[in-house]
Amino acid sequence: GAGVSQSPSNKVTEKGKDVELRCDPISGHTALYWYRQSLGQGLEFLIYFQGNSAPDKSGLPSDRFSAERTGGSVSTLTIQRTQQEDSAVYLCASSLRGGNIQYFGAGTRLSVL
Amino acid sequence: ELKVEQNPLFLSMQEGKNYTIYCNYSTTSDRLYWYRQDPGKSLESLFVLLSNGAVKQEGRLMASLDTKARLSTLHITAAVHDLSATYFCAVFLDYGGATNKLIFGTGTLLAVQP
Repeated sequence: GAGVSQSPSNKVTEKGKDVELRCDPISGHTALYWYRQSLGQGLEFLIYFQGNSAPDKSGLPSDRFSAERTGGSVSTLTIQRTQQEDSAVYLCASSLRGGNIQYFGAGTRLSVL
Repeated sequence: ELKVEQNPLFLSMQEGKNYTIYCNYSTTSDRLYWYRQDPGKSLESLFVLLSNGAVKQEGRLMASLDTKARLSTLHITAAVHDLSATYFCAVFLDYGGATNKLIFGTGTLLAVQP
């Protein structure tokens, strides 16, 4: 497709379970970003990829959160041992290169029960 | 700590009226973005402002940037219902490639009443 694609669109999980969120960026975009949107914290940066490398992981809330990107394309955000405070909408964005306009996906709504 | 503050947080206005949303930020940046978000939807890029004094206009929306004052404004002219949405400003940070991210404001929920 032409835009940033995220899956699943909704995920309900039980506290303590692991979840994986997927992002397919726009073809040819070298930069990829993960953000989190929640009522209490607003929109927060999580991690930035340039190619397959992550120069900035400073926004990851804890060591339960990790992300990888393979082939300079698809990225996966993994949350281990989910907690209720992890409930949020996780947004992925991509840009042609770092510093260009970021185009956002529709997000994954994560609910931890 | 970098702060990006928007005001107002909520704006209820009548169709046909004008209003301005303000975005103040606490660090130097050479790039500022405005995004729109409809309920349950993702973020849509509206404007990118690249230099001091930059002004961009699209339809009833006009954005400006004053880097010296660390202030951006989004002006709405003759509002229509279709403009109802949440508007975010976002400051771009780039520390020599070590980072590359947007710091978002709190958002302004705009409700245009008929």
